[in-house]
Amino acid sequence: QSVLTQPPSVSAAPGQKVTISCSGSSSNIGNNYVSWYQQLPGTAPKLLIYDNNKRPSGIPDRFSGSRSGTSATLGITGLQTGDEADYYCGTWDSSLFIWVFGGGTTLTVL
Amino acid sequence: QVTLRESGPALVKPTQTLTLTCSFSGFSLSTSGMCVGWIRQPPGKALEWLAVIDWEDDKYYNSSLKTRLTISKDTSKNQVVLTMTSLDPMDTATYFCARMTAATQKYYFDYWGQGNLVTVSS
Repeated sequence: QSVLTQPPSVSAAPGQKVTISCSGSSSNIGNNYVSWYQQLPGTAPKLLIYDNNKRPSGIPDRFSGSRSGTSATLGITGLQTGDEADYYCGTWDSSLFIWVFGGGTTLTVL
Repeated sequence: QVTLRESGPALVKPTQTLTLTCSFSGFSLSTSGMCVGWIRQPPGKALEWLAVIDWEDDKYYNSSLKTRLTISKDTSKNQVVLTMTSLDPMDTATYFCARMTAATQKYYFDYWGQGNLVTVSS
């Protein structure tokens, strides 16, 4: 049971938009910035979004992030088959002094 | 550029101790805001955070694994070592090390190693 809650899977057609939610509590998402990670099959996770809504160099603006209260959302527009991956949210928990990940969401581009 | 690489055994027997080394370059663990963490992923399952060590040598551990984990750093060698005792087949996973950038309320893993698959079996 992960501290952060994500839907197990989402799907959409190529070219469409999808959002992935990440729900936490006041001690984690409510108090610290959220990051998102993309894990393509058979590879290491890659930082996709940090500080709630910032993109590292090289990440296209099709990927966006937001945070409201104790929840965060990852948005992906203009879906491509190459976006099929597992996506994880993560943040620091200030009460437990631990890092917490969501359980991961598998994106399928139909 | 920043790189991290995990090294360690591929096969460990139950009850044994696992020692993994993360060798990194492109940054110093003595620089304010720099940390290195360990994350594992059992086959087909989600990421699980294990531990992190920061530039001041503060250490933080996964609550449920805390009694079995030790993280340490050798700043001069640019290495971080994770030891896990009392290995069980359930500990079979790919173990990743990653750099964490830390500031007040802002933490994220920005660079990852490729991972080291560890199988626990007799």
